[in-house]
Amino acid sequence: DAGVTQSPTHLIKTRGQHVTLRCSPISGHKSVSWYQQVLGQGPQFIFQYYEKEERGRGNFPDRFSARQFPNYSSELNVNALLLGDSALYLCASSLAGGAAAYEQYFGPGTRLTVT
Amino acid sequence: AQTVTQSQPEMSVQEAETVTLSCTYDTSESDYYLFWYKQPPSRQMILVIRQEAYKQQNATENRFSVNFQKAAKSFSLKISDSQLGDAAMYFCAYRSLQTGANNLFFGTGTRLTVIP
Repeated sequence: DAGVTQSPTHLIKTRGQHVTLRCSPISGHKSVSWYQQVLGQGPQFIFQYYEKEERGRGNFPDRFSARQFPNYSSELNVNALLLGDSALYLCASSLAGGAAAYEQYFGPGTRLTVT
Repeated sequence: AQTVTQSQPEMSVQEAETVTLSCTYDTSESDYYLFWYKQPPSRQMILVIRQEAYKQQNATENRFSVNFQKAAKSFSLKISDSQLGDAAMYFCAYRSLQTGANNLFFGTGTRLTVIP
């Protein structure tokens, strides 16, 4: 079975631009979470979606938004890019969104560089 | 808010030896999960081991085991018989069971080097 997939692998954008990152969860998984990992740090939670609804949001500005589609894939959108948005963006999927779904499976990430 | 602290930015171990990575966390909750994740240079985060806070018995997965001290809010990872493939960044993570969200709080990581 395929694991969590993310596209693109790498991306270079200019300040002020917009970016869309994509994630496909493991087949059968209904929850997707997004994390930002700045170089040298641990991942920080951005969003969780379950059954196409936002279940959780981290401490990120409104420039960050996400959505989940009927097939449970997800997009993360970032507007008005700043240099500080340069990071590895990780997507993780799990079976469900509640307490029982403790195990998250991570994708390989998208490396975003903002110049 | 929960915080996770990994006080060892880097550790090294001789191949076949044992190493322990430290993690402490701060929470007012009584029920939660704790995890150790491994992130090799390929970037993919891999779950190594998990511990449910309500379980007193320490979790074990083959060469990996934890020392969970709930009162001290400590969760260390022991790697026995270290192998070259164990070289990676290791992250300790906390997950609350009080909220509906499935989000993890990560520490800053420990880079483990395995010396042949």
